[in-house]
Amino acid sequence: AQSVTQLGSHVSVSEGALVLLRCNYSSSVPPYLFWYVQYPNQGLQLLLKYTSAATLVKGINGFEAEFKKSETSFHLTKPSAHMSDAAEYFCAVSDRSAGGTSYGKLTFGQGTILTVHP
Amino acid sequence: SAVISQKPSRDICQRGTSLTIQCQVDSQVTMMFWYRQQPGQSLTLIATANQGSEATYESGFVIDKFPISRPNLTFSTLTVSNLSPEDSSIYLCSVRRTEGYEQYFGPGTRLTVT
Repeated sequence: AQSVTQLGSHVSVSEGALVLLRCNYSSSVPPYLFWYVQYPNQGLQLLLKYTSAATLVKGINGFEAEFKKSETSFHLTKPSAHMSDAAEYFCAVSDRSAGGTSYGKLTFGQGTILTVHP
Repeated sequence: SAVISQKPSRDICQRGTSLTIQCQVDSQVTMMFWYRQQPGQSLTLIATANQGSEATYESGFVIDKFPISRPNLTFSTLTVSNLSPEDSSIYLCSVRRTEGYEQYFGPGTRLTVT
């Protein structure tokens, strides 16, 4: 079984400050990992994904995340926050098993609401 | 990626009625999923919509309450039956292509049950 834990349901930063959103996962098989962003009244947009290539993954809007197997973590960072980054962020895990009814199923964390202050 | 549309975008329904949500994708995809996002919460998978066969439901979700159709590789519907206020949520469909593990999401349908 897979699970995702996002530490901190709310994170507040000043504009221009470092953004760090934490995600730890649990998976019995090597995982695929994702970060999604949800703006108010919208669906989810894929920010970035880890699929076993480079452990440091770059995504859209200046975000990146580093896969650390020893720490079972996949934290999301951005060097300098912008007001437009205010949204809710979800970390998700998918296993690599082929076939079966759970193929490709995503398990989401509880989400972290990012607030950016001027 | 994929362009996904959902209809309706929002609806207000009375207790005891049903709502059918449509999900349309701009190209053929193997896998489609339906999620529920209750107010202030994360996403929970309801079921995987399989083309040509019955949907596969997650624990806690049953076909009588959430019947799903998948008539072709670009379209699916989710019906939420016998509505109660507890069904007030955002319902999202997503798709996954065979060449990748990421899912792409529709804009969601916001359901309010009165």
